[in-house]
Amino acid sequence: DSGVTQTPKHLITATGQRVTLRCSPRSGDLSVYWYQQSLDQGLQFLIQYYNGEERAKGNILERFSAQQFPDLHSELNLSSLELGDSALYFCASSDPTGYTFGSGTRLTVV
Amino acid sequence: GQNIDQPTEMTATEGAIVQINCTYQTSGFNGLFWYQQHAGEAPTFLSYNVLDGLEEKGRFSSFLSRSKGYSYLLLKELQMKDSASYLCAVRAAGNKLTFGGGTRVLVKP
Repeated sequence: DSGVTQTPKHLITATGQRVTLRCSPRSGDLSVYWYQQSLDQGLQFLIQYYNGEERAKGNILERFSAQQFPDLHSELNLSSLELGDSALYFCASSDPTGYTFGSGTRLTVV
Repeated sequence: GQNIDQPTEMTATEGAIVQINCTYQTSGFNGLFWYQQHAGEAPTFLSYNVLDGLEEKGRFSSFLSRSKGYSYLLLKELQMKDSASYLCAVRAAGNKLTFGGGTRVLVKP
């Protein structure tokens, strides 16, 4: 157990639908990072939050949004889902020495 | 922006040594990380370099040259369980961590 918790582990949904992925960082970590990994692809940075505020944005689609709540958990909202959104979505939290990843949410859009 | 390059795939024999190279271009460099990732699983931390030189950790070593924008990960005494993808990642200003495409290492008996 890395200490970073992601739910759900698996999600199957239809095109056009909306889903919410949840992440709780390690105790004491203020940052949350979201990454998307499509099949056999590298990790693509989506967005970073630090203590409730957005810090950096990657190639995140307009259909995707995220937020970090006062208790530091974060949610990634994906809407108007397309087949190409099927991927593993990881979140990570960090301290000065490194980044720890959650076990990911596997999203399948059918 | 950032650009991180590493080979797509490498094959090596059990017990041998493999070196995975990573070149990068970035502004505001603030550290380089190596992660191991088995298929469908989360990346797990292997090493971190922020200063030039070699960091050794058991069978794994990582080297950094900031002036050349170059790093390598050295895996010694390869074991079958080392078959995985190895991800080079660069941290820039603001702590944003950007990954290369990963190198798939296949260890053969």
